[in-house]
Amino acid sequence: DQQVKQNSPSLSVQEGRISILNCDYTNSMFDYFLWYKKYPAEGPTFLISISSIKDKNEDGRFTVFLNKSAKHLSLHIVPSQPGDSAVYFCAASANTGNQFYFGTGTSLTVIP
Amino acid sequence: KAGVTQTPRYLIKTRGQQVTLSCSPISGHRSVSWYQQTPGQGLQFLFEYFSETQRNKGNFPGRFSGRQFSNSRSEMNVSTLELGDSALYLCASSPGTGAPAEEQYFGPGTRLTVT
Repeated sequence: DQQVKQNSPSLSVQEGRISILNCDYTNSMFDYFLWYKKYPAEGPTFLISISSIKDKNEDGRFTVFLNKSAKHLSLHIVPSQPGDSAVYFCAASANTGNQFYFGTGTSLTVIP
Repeated sequence: KAGVTQTPRYLIKTRGQQVTLSCSPISGHRSVSWYQQTPGQGLQFLFEYFSETQRNKGNFPGRFSGRQFSNSRSEMNVSTLELGDSALYLCASSPGTGAPAEEQYFGPGTRLTVT
């Protein structure tokens, strides 16, 4: 049973435009959410996180929004750059140590 | 600081065999987690070890086991391999400070192919 879902397997955007990656979850006990970025032949690298007490967290070009009532979070990348082309995973935790539930990933392509 | 290293990077095994994968965490990190990545399934949590003890366990059969040594290095073992075990196995380490949902640092993974 997939508790964290990324329903868009792929996304293409033009360089300089906004990229919006979406993630939905089903477990209301989740209280921490993270986004990871993965290049081919490398392990995922941490991008940004948000706790359930917030609804927005910003780090440079990356902003994560959390809508707890809808059990939905999104990652906004503005402006998008070709180097952002990668697979993005969202992950959630119920504050039980480091047990994370990952989505299936969204492959982002930024077109120059 | 050196990153998380995993050995071997690639492995081919036959159904019914067993396999052991190794992970060396970032120096000073005490928590090591293992994930299985398959197409369409994303990363599935296998287990987490902290101070040589399994702290969390995902929903995988008992054929999947692990251990952690006193230097925090970890091994994962899969016995009686099945075709469906073909996957990328990722190891991640984190400091283990007790803070909730610590950022994890991933290794490059071990690509296991079962024939």
